[in-house]
Amino acid sequence: QQQVKQSPQSLIVQKGGISIINCAYENTAFDYFPWYQQFPGKGPALLIAIRPDVSEKKEGRFTISFNKSAKQFSLHIMDSQPGDSATYFCAASSVQGAQKLVFGQGTRLTINP
Amino acid sequence: KAGVTQTPRYLIKTRGQQVTLSCSPISGHRSVSWYQQTPGQGLQFLFEYFSETQRNKGNFPGRFSGRQFSNSRSEMNVSTLELGDSALYLCASSHQGVETQYFGPGTRLLVL
Repeated sequence: QQQVKQSPQSLIVQKGGISIINCAYENTAFDYFPWYQQFPGKGPALLIAIRPDVSEKKEGRFTISFNKSAKQFSLHIMDSQPGDSATYFCAASSVQGAQKLVFGQGTRLTINP
Repeated sequence: KAGVTQTPRYLIKTRGQQVTLSCSPISGHRSVSWYQQTPGQGLQFLFEYFSETQRNKGNFPGRFSGRQFSNSRSEMNVSTLELGDSALYLCASSHQGVETQYFGPGTRLLVL
């Protein structure tokens, strides 16, 4: 019940296209859903996060869509650029409960120029 | 503000040895969490400290331990190292908990 399932494992998108990464969770106590971006040799960097009281959050070219009834959330990267090539992790946690992030397995995104 | 710093960045140890990793959180942050990252298991939570108290612990053996000092700096220790402990160990800090956690660059540990 603590798992977060992420797909796809790898994704290749053409420059200017839309990159979409999906995650699903089981634990209904989760109420905080961040996305992290990680470049080789670096630690994960917080990209964008959402709480379940909204269905969508947009920051620049990055958008989180959240479907509470389906227990799914996704990251959309609009106008994908070669500099977006990185590994993306979704995560989930309960803000009021255990202070720990449960991560998805990651998606290696490659943007072809 | 300076980011989360971790020392050392790279470490090579042999089986049976012990190792101590250090993490300095962002100034003003009182919560420090540790995660292990491996290609097979991904990112897994080790433990979280807040104001020198361990609040949460992940499913790791007792060989993994940590502590937090009064200045919020944290250390984690792994005793009796095993080959499977080879990983990137990440520290993350935040003001209070999981929200808006900032990660350091990690310490890459290789156990031979």
